[in-house]
Amino acid sequence: QQQVKQSPQSLIVQKGGISIINCAYENTAFDYFPWYQQFPGKGPALLIAIRPDVSEKKEGRFTISFNKSAKQFSLHIMDSQPGDSATYFCAASRGSSNTGKLIFGQGTTLQVKP
Amino acid sequence: DADVTQTPRNRITKTGKRIMLECSQTKGHDRMYWYRQDPGLGLRLIYYSFDVKDINKGEISDGYSVSRQAQAKFSLSLESAIPNQTALYFCATSDFGEKLFFGSGTQLSVL
Repeated sequence: QQQVKQSPQSLIVQKGGISIINCAYENTAFDYFPWYQQFPGKGPALLIAIRPDVSEKKEGRFTISFNKSAKQFSLHIMDSQPGDSATYFCAASRGSSNTGKLIFGQGTTLQVKP
Repeated sequence: DADVTQTPRNRITKTGKRIMLECSQTKGHDRMYWYRQDPGLGLRLIYYSFDVKDINKGEISDGYSVSRQAQAKFSLSLESAIPNQTALYFCATSDFGEKLFFGSGTQLSVL
């Protein structure tokens, strides 16, 4: 049973375009929703995160949109660049002391073409 | 130098063998984790430790054990490796904040 479902599995975007990755979760007790970015041969690294008390969070070209009623959240990458080519994972956890105990989505491989 | 170091980076072993993956960190964090990554499944938590005397099972602990030798060291053992334990294994650390710091991973193949 996948508690956090991520789509699409892979995504190809032209340079300068918008990349959108979606995630849906089942457990309404989740209260922390990070996105991790992983380059080949490296471990994942935190990109941006949101808590359900806000509907959107923006950091540079990266934005999380959060829809609590639909139990969905998404990552938008504006002005996508070839350097953004990586695998992206959404995740969720519950409890302020348990933010390291993450349930991850399946991952999305993003390719940004020059 | 890496803050979270995993050894070995790659390991090939045979079914039934005991194997240990090691993780050390210089970040001074109390919390350490072991995750495994499989294509199409994302990352799943195997074990975690919030301090030296604390060990907890994660989502998929069967077939694995861990040892927290010190604040900086957390090892993962496969007592009798099986082929479906072939995966990419990650160690991670955190303090009381929200950010996980991952090592570069150990690619394990069980033949």
